[in-house]
Amino acid sequence: AQSVTQLDSQVPVFEEAPVELRCNYSSSVSVYLFWYVQYPNQGLQLLLKYLSGSTLVKGINGFEAEFNKSQTSFHLRKPSVHISDTAEYFCAVTAYSSASKIIFGSGTRLSIRP
Amino acid sequence: KAGVTQTPRYLIKTRGQQVTLSCSPISGHRSVSWYQQTPGQGLQFLFEYFSETQRNKGNFPGRFSGRQFSNSRSEMNVSTLELGDSALYLCASSLKSGNTGELFFGEGSRLTVL
Repeated sequence: AQSVTQLDSQVPVFEEAPVELRCNYSSSVSVYLFWYVQYPNQGLQLLLKYLSGSTLVKGINGFEAEFNKSQTSFHLRKPSVHISDTAEYFCAVTAYSSASKIIFGSGTRLSIRP
Repeated sequence: KAGVTQTPRYLIKTRGQQVTLSCSPISGHRSVSWYQQTPGQGLQFLFEYFSETQRNKGNFPGRFSGRQFSNSRSEMNVSTLELGDSALYLCASSLKSGNTGELFFGEGSRLTVL
């Protein structure tokens, strides 16, 4: 079975500062990894995904994440955040099997201070 | 292209009642997944349907059930409602079953059980 741990439930950061949201996963098999964002009163939207290939993945809205197999991590980064990035961010994992379900972390609430 | 549509958006029920939630996926998408989102438990997978067949099921009691119709629309039903069933129920669709594709989420149905 797979599991996801998001180490920070809340991350406050000033506008235009860099941010890193941490995600660690556990799995006995190879996995696919995702980051989703949920804006207030909305559903989730895919930010980026790692399936294979380059370990540095670029997503929408200037976000990127790096897959680190040895540390079983998939941290999300943005060099300069904007007020509009205020949202909850979810890391998710699924095993290679086509029948596997996607497991979400508990989420990290990113709050941007002006 | 219309997004994932969930109805109703908000509803209030009392303990012991039952509820049916509906999800219309993006046109052409054949896979529909359901998630329960609560502040305490985060996003928990309920079940996934593909071509009218349940492909995956999460760890929820039998009071939670679902189905998918030939037009890919899906419904989920919760019987004998409990206070702890109060949550945001999210539906997500994707082109195919499996885990490499992007999940497209609806805005959710917020259920309050009194």
